[in-house]
Amino acid sequence: EAGVTQFPSHSVIEKGQTVTLRCDPISGHDNLYWYRRVMGKEIKFLLHFVKESKQDESGMPNNRFLAERTGGTYSTLKVQPAELEDSGVYFCASSQDQRTGVSPLHFGNGTRLTVT
Amino acid sequence: AQRVTQPEKLLSVFKGAPVELKCNYSYSGSPELFWYVQYSRQRLQLLLRHISRESIKGFTADLNKGETSFHLKKPFAQEEDSAMYYCAVRLKTSYDKVIFGPGTSLSVIP
Repeated sequence: EAGVTQFPSHSVIEKGQTVTLRCDPISGHDNLYWYRRVMGKEIKFLLHFVKESKQDESGMPNNRFLAERTGGTYSTLKVQPAELEDSGVYFCASSQDQRTGVSPLHFGNGTRLTVT
Repeated sequence: AQRVTQPEKLLSVFKGAPVELKCNYSYSGSPELFWYVQYSRQRLQLLLRHISRESIKGFTADLNKGETSFHLKKPFAQEEDSAMYYCAVRLKTSYDKVIFGPGTSLSVIP
């Protein structure tokens, strides 16, 4: 099966610009997560979709971040306007429906965002 | 608040030596614990989970509820074990949310 794919792999933008990250989960995976790793720090939870619904967005840092998952397939994470502290690696992960048993997270390669 | 801690940011061991990567968690419910690993130039991937009680690549981890720990162990480290290791806990109070520890970078010296 195809794994989780993320696009772009790298993005360099200037402060104040807008960037949209995309994640395509494994087909059939209801759960989709966004995480962020800032240089040298832990992988922090941003939000969790179950199908097209936002189950938990408690990790979203502020209203400059907007995530969508229209149709319950791929997801986008938009940062507008970007700030310097938004730099980091953004990971997407997906997993099957929890009711089918404990399902591990399958991660994409991440998008490295650099805001200058 | 739910937390996962990994006290060692960096850990270096010699090839053939035992290795233990520590993980402690604070969570009031019944946790599900995992270890994820990221090798150089590869994506983050599951190494093992506590419910499976399995040994993967020679690694084992035992959940100790009394000490709220889930340390990762291997009796004889190999060079290919050098990687970033993350302990993670699935929170059952929130639908399938998984939080990660800060990670430990393991370096196995030849």
